[in-house]
Amino acid sequence: NIMMTQSPSSLAVSAGEKVTMSCKSSQSVLYSSNQKNYLAWYQQKPGQSPKLLIYWASTRESGVPDRFTGSGSGTDFTLTISSVQAEDLAVYYCHQYLSSFTFGSGTKLEIK
Amino acid sequence: DVQLVESGGGLVQPGGSRKLSCAASGFTFSSFGMHWVRQAPEKGLEWVAYISSGSSTIYYADTVKGRFTISRDNPKNTLFLQMTSLRSEDTAMYYCARGEVLFAYWGQGTLVTVSA
Repeated sequence: NIMMTQSPSSLAVSAGEKVTMSCKSSQSVLYSSNQKNYLAWYQQKPGQSPKLLIYWASTRESGVPDRFTGSGSGTDFTLTISSVQAEDLAVYYCHQYLSSFTFGSGTKLEIK
Repeated sequence: DVQLVESGGGLVQPGGSRKLSCAASGFTFSSFGMHWVRQAPEKGLEWVAYISSGSSTIYYADTVKGRFTISRDNPKNTLFLQMTSLRSEDTAMYYCARGEVLFAYWGQGTLVTVSA
């Protein structure tokens, strides 16, 4: 099974600041046949169900603000929020779907 | 609009059984694979099971294999999760989600508590 490790587990920033969070997989999630990274990011706000933000490591889901950017390849991935808004308070999970389905343990984003 | 509404959660004794349902609307249910994903209280997400659109392909997480059964009724637009031999560690919010490999739409979840 591919294990996903996220860091940090939590962070607190002020509105308007840039945030980056990391996700590392125990094996590469890059599929050589199509050169796609089978990596997604989800946002779960308090009391809500998760919401798909990014897939194929860097493709924004329809309707997701462009301040959210996914990057990385192979085993190292990053979710960046260019200018954090109060509404971005949430836990962010990475998810690999190359081999079965596993999630990271999440990064909790708090707004100062 | 896509809607997924889970039901069937509640308090179950260890070793007991429970059947969850997920009613789908707003899309052609029979055309999409479906998943169950769970989240223990204050914990992260754990994928549980997948069923293809026509039920020909089914996968389970190792933690539930042999105890849980995923199924669907396409004419009734409903997904199911039959859970048996329940353990305290199965206590979680159970979400149904639409998608083949991505979980693009989620229900609001139904809470299953396994406790004596």
